Amino acid sequence: AQSVTQPDIHITVSEGASLELRCNYSYGATPYLFWYVQSPGQGLQLLLKYFSGDTLVQGIKGFEAEFKRSQSSFNLRKPSVHWSDAAEYFCAVGVREYGNKLVFGAGTILRVKS
Amino acid sequence: DAGVTQSPTHLIKTRGQQVTLRCSPKSGHDTVSWYQQALGQGPQFIFQYYEEEERQRGNFPDRFSGHQFPNYSSELNVNALLLGDSALYLCASRPGSGLSYYEQYFGPGTRLTVT
Repeated sequence: AQSVTQPDIHITVSEGASLELRCNYSYGATPYLFWYVQSPGQGLQLLLKYFSGDTLVQGIKGFEAEFKRSQSSFNLRKPSVHWSDAAEYFCAVGVREYGNKLVFGAGTILRVKS
Repeated sequence: DAGVTQSPTHLIKTRGQQVTLRCSPKSGHDTVSWYQQALGQGPQFIFQYYEEEERQRGNFPDRFSGHQFPNYSSELNVNALLLGDSALYLCASRPGSGLSYYEQYFGPGTRLTVT
């Protein structure tokens, strides 16, 4: 069965510091991978996606993610965090055999300290 | 271009009651999925509608049902509400074909509280 693991429930970084959020997936085929961000009380906003090709993908708000097939990982990075990045981040894998339903990880809450 | 819209924003119901949540997909999208997000968890797939039919279903009981209308909007119905149904219900839409086929866009959600 497909699954996504986000090992860090909470992460706190200082404003201006770099950020890496970890994501590992289990999926039998070439995965379609996504990172979404959710602010409190809000829906999910798509940050970036990986379908194929270049394993380093760029997204909105200065985020990037790197797909590593050998490690079954899709970690999210940002070189310099802003206070407005504080939110919850979800990694997801798209299951093509089931109408591209998304299987989400449990999320990582990012806190930014000034 | 309006994104995915959902109504109502918040809802409070009593155990045993029934509830209907509504979703209008993003313009140009014809496939709608519903997800349940319990507090502190990631969203869980409930089901997906395309061409007015349920195409895929997650691991949810039959108390959860849905409908899609000719204009692609959708409803989620939950019968015999349980306390455990309290959650944020998210609607997502995507096109049925084309380059964006694999991208799902989410609405703001409906917060359901069952007392």
